[in-house]
Amino acid sequence: DTGVSQDPRHKITKRGQNVTFRCDPISEHNRLYWYRQTLGQGPEFLTYFQNEAQLEKSRLLSDRFSAERPKGSFSTLEIQRTEQGDSAMYLCASSRASGTANYGYTFGSGTRLTVV
Amino acid sequence: AQSVTQLGSHVSVSEGALVLLRCNYSSSVPPYLFWYVQYPNQGLQLLLKYTSAATLVKGINGFEAEFKKSETSFHLTKPSAHMSDAAEYFCAVRLSSNDYKLSFGAGTTVTVRA
Repeated sequence: DTGVSQDPRHKITKRGQNVTFRCDPISEHNRLYWYRQTLGQGPEFLTYFQNEAQLEKSRLLSDRFSAERPKGSFSTLEIQRTEQGDSAMYLCASSRASGTANYGYTFGSGTRLTVV
Repeated sequence: AQSVTQLGSHVSVSEGALVLLRCNYSSSVPPYLFWYVQYPNQGLQLLLKYTSAATLVKGINGFEAEFKKSETSFHLTKPSAHMSDAAEYFCAVRLSSNDYKLSFGAGTTVTVRA
């Protein structure tokens, strides 16, 4: 169990550029979640997958954001035409489908995005 | 509607003193409740969770929390603070068995005075 891995750890980009983040969940976890955390706030839910199916999306996920989990393993989160308001920590988490409450959610270390 | 409210955005305690972090939730059904800790520039680490078993939940690093349905609360305590407890703490709720996402409070930053 190597935990949830996120890449890159830090990303600085110019406004208007596209960025893509990757998350590798714990191998036996078939649910994967994306959250966004701005400074001084708690994480806010963006979207989640069960296997390759995207089952729920927050209204925070504007049309500039897209997430995929093509093979039910790793996931990518892409932000197109980045804006300064997109600057945040993007956290990925994973969990088992059954017994999620008992097993809990494991979070990665996050990708910190800075849009300049 | 706010699902989780953490009272006090910042708590300062002396080393060896009691740590008490307050969390109230709003849910019409018994929720699943979690406390996470976050150190600077790191992800979230689970401290403990309530999943409708014992109302007093013991977690890692000497923390525990008590679920009180009548007060819709899930306060986090530690009898004796250590310098390494300085971090940000988040209360989170999963509102029902059919809702798999977590809703987080705004967080409480704990500083520990020597």
